[in-house]
Amino acid sequence: SAVISQKPSRDICQRGTSLTIQCQVDSQVTMMFWYRQQPGQSLTLIATANQGSEATYESGFVIDKFPISRPNLTFSTLTVSNMSPEDSSIYLCSAAGTETGANVLTFGAGSRLTVL
Amino acid sequence: QKEVEQNSGPLSVPEGAIASLNCTYSDRGSQSFFWYRQYSGKSPELIMFIYSNGDKEDGRFTAQLNKASQYVSLLIRDSQPSDSATYLCAVRGRDSGGGADGLTFGKGTHLIIQP
Repeated sequence: SAVISQKPSRDICQRGTSLTIQCQVDSQVTMMFWYRQQPGQSLTLIATANQGSEATYESGFVIDKFPISRPNLTFSTLTVSNMSPEDSSIYLCSAAGTETGANVLTFGAGSRLTVL
Repeated sequence: QKEVEQNSGPLSVPEGAIASLNCTYSDRGSQSFFWYRQYSGKSPELIMFIYSNGDKEDGRFTAQLNKASQYVSLLIRDSQPSDSATYLCAVRGRDSGGGADGLTFGKGTHLIIQP
């Protein structure tokens, strides 16, 4: 399966600032996704990062707050804009690989954001 | 709204016994089902996937799927302390034709294997 690298691994940010998380995959993948995992909670899909077009956002998430780029088949970024303490979370990049016919998701190690 | 339900636990199982983890889902059109394991502070890692009714075995792990009941389970035989983790059930809906869709995750079951 693909190896996914994310950076930063963690950061402490001030309210009102923005932070961009980078995700690099070691092979070309068709699909890339961004998830959020708030403390003690499961994973919530933010959006699908589409190569060469605008990301597809899930209900409750908007482009102005979480702009996403995907310039090629191995790289994507997620920006968390105008951060508030409620944005403190782990943000996970994932990519779809193909394993024996099923598309399974592999996850990066995550980026832990703390907003003060 | 797709929903995936799991008992949050903790589920405590003695070492060497069988751990049984359960999951139900709301979208009857769901096609693929996944079990991920997540250790504290780590990212989820895939254990198994299943998309046909019945059982699928991989080593000490067996996934069971019953689409009529909208129910999927994971059995862990000969449980080890290293199996202690949170187990996440994830579901993917109908294929949109463009490849994998993002998965919908349950909240996870915290499993504790007692030595």
